[in-house]
Amino acid sequence: RKEVEQDPGPFNVPEGATVAFNCTYSNSASQSFFWYRQDCRKEPKLLMSVYSSGNEDGRFTAQLNRASQYISLLIRDSKLSDSATYLCVVTPTNAGKSTFGDGTTLTVKP
Amino acid sequence: DAGITQSPRYKITETGRQVTLMCHQTWSHSYMFWYRQDLGHGLRLIYYSAAADITDKGEVPDGYVVSRSKTENFPLTLESATRSQTSVYFCASSEARDAGNTIYFGEGSWLTVV
Repeated sequence: RKEVEQDPGPFNVPEGATVAFNCTYSNSASQSFFWYRQDCRKEPKLLMSVYSSGNEDGRFTAQLNRASQYISLLIRDSKLSDSATYLCVVTPTNAGKSTFGDGTTLTVKP
Repeated sequence: DAGITQSPRYKITETGRQVTLMCHQTWSHSYMFWYRQDLGHGLRLIYYSAAADITDKGEVPDGYVVSRSKTENFPLTLESATRSQTSVYFCASSEARDAGNTIYFGEGSWLTVV
């Protein structure tokens, strides 16, 4: 079993739709959680951190469920520019051991 | 402008040749990383470094060598390139005082081994 698992998708949604991605992790000692965005043939970039109480950044909401060991990303009012691959990242106390999920691909269509 | 830069961005080499990918960061971040990403797959950690002269293996270190004589540089060497090492390689850095620090990536080095 992989340490971090994501549904690869692809998720194909119309503009304006709400879409949610989940990511499960196996290491219960994990301390920090992030969502990264990667555009085709580009480097990953931080989208948002995920806090225990949940957090929101505009149209994006991230949630953490430690009991069930998963994090989620909700995108409301999808835009064409949201089309990308979304990677979840799980980090224990040693930042050198960050583990990336394989990513979930989102395509937003007109 | 501060950042993390990789060179070369694109490289074609022959099987058996030695190849070095360079990585330079201007933030004085403690941690540096090398990942590879194969088509349609996720990032896999090759090596990382917590500070100058400190390196450690990641998930897929075989066939690679790293060094970190200066904080800002973290070169990755393929000692004898194989076709299976055809991939895009991302260098990254993080301040990492604790586990909550962002990892910043370079633009990637696209390597083809023929």
